[in-house]
Amino acid sequence: AQSVTQLGSHVSVSEGALVLLRCNYSSSVPPYLFWYVQYPNQGLQLLLKYTTGATLVKGINGFEAEFKKSETSFHLTKPSAHMSDAAEYFCAVSVEYKLSFGAGTTVTVRA
Amino acid sequence: SQTIHQWPATLVQPVGSPLSLECTVEGTSNPNLYWYRQAAGRGLQLLFYSVGIGQISSEVPQNLSASRPQDRQFILSSKKLLLSDSGFYLCAWRRSWGYTFGSGTRLTVV
Repeated sequence: AQSVTQLGSHVSVSEGALVLLRCNYSSSVPPYLFWYVQYPNQGLQLLLKYTTGATLVKGINGFEAEFKKSETSFHLTKPSAHMSDAAEYFCAVSVEYKLSFGAGTTVTVRA
Repeated sequence: SQTIHQWPATLVQPVGSPLSLECTVEGTSNPNLYWYRQAAGRGLQLLFYSVGIGQISSEVPQNLSASRPQDRQFILSSKKLLLSDSGFYLCAWRRSWGYTFGSGTRLTVV
């Protein structure tokens, strides 16, 4: 069975500062990994994904994530936060037919 | 084009009333479909998934059921809603490159 742990339910950053959202996973087989963003009362939008190949994955809106097998991690970063980045972020792992989510991290951006 | 539709967007229902939420996809055949629930302040919980017509897998015991009457249709139902069924329900479609989500249904049981 697979599972996802997101460290920190809330993260507050200043505009222009680094955004770092942590995600660790457990899986008995090589996983596919995803980061999704959710704005209030909306569905989930895919930010980026890792399937195979290059371990540094670039996504939309300036986000990127690095797959580290030795650390079972898939942390999400953005060098410079923008006010529009305020949202909830979910890390997810897909094995076979199932997509399992972490509990989510709410990001607030201070002006 | 390939799209996923989910409705209604919002729903307020009294305790004990029935529920039917519908999800349909277009532009594909034999999709893998999923229902998730997001309760207030909590993450997304997988409720059901379906790999084909009439094939339903339930992840957690609950007051809900799902059906797949047609290839591209996935329905979430309840005979009698509970207060604890309130939440944000999302339908998802597994594609070759990942998962696409519907816009969600905000269900409030009163």
